[in-house]
Amino acid sequence: GAVVSQHPSRVICKSGTSVKIECRSLDFQATTMFWYRQFPKQSLMLMATSNEGSKATYEQGVEKDKFLINHASLTLSTLTVTSAHPEDSSFYICSALRLAGGIYNEQFFGPGTRLTVL
Amino acid sequence: GIQVEQSPPDLILQEGANSTLRCNFSDSVNNLQWFHQNPWGQLINLFYIPSGTKQNGRLSATTVATERYSLLYISSSQTTDSGVYFCAVSNTNAGKSTFGDGTTLTVKP
Repeated sequence: GAVVSQHPSRVICKSGTSVKIECRSLDFQATTMFWYRQFPKQSLMLMATSNEGSKATYEQGVEKDKFLINHASLTLSTLTVTSAHPEDSSFYICSALRLAGGIYNEQFFGPGTRLTVL
Repeated sequence: GIQVEQSPPDLILQEGANSTLRCNFSDSVNNLQWFHQNPWGQLINLFYIPSGTKQNGRLSATTVATERYSLLYISSSQTTDSGVYFCAVSNTNAGKSTFGDGTTLTVKP
């Protein structure tokens, strides 16, 4: 299977600071990556679609100025939580889309980043 | 958008038992994946199965696309099978998926 890494795995920060999370596809190129947020005992909520070389597409209700996404290469997307507040505390998960011979595409997930804002 | 319903929401089994998890979806799909989220939060790909049947060891899955459902079978369950099982579907070429609410499986020794 394909490997997706995410860094950091855990971060604790003070309210008002910004936090950057990196998502890398290690053994394949990913034109498209996704960023999700997951609250305890809930499903994954898609925040945005990250496309290499273009602006991210945000889901309804997600503030693009709050959650900055950059997809500068085919193997790296970053999510920056700007001016973090306690309500931003959550588990953030990225995934990378791998195309397979143009027949289908399959998502592979990073291990997640647990953000705690004090 | 497409709706995804998973059942049951919770399942408790004794080690060695078999189980069937279900995923219903409201529209035709061109992409369906099953994932297992372990206690540390990592989502592990189990099957890519928009149609047909696949097997991998003790796990197998069947998707009947015309009837808009997929089933995940777990045989001879082990305690390490515990976690949350998610079904995710897509009906676009962009790859964006909709997740079900998951089935939380607890396997007791």
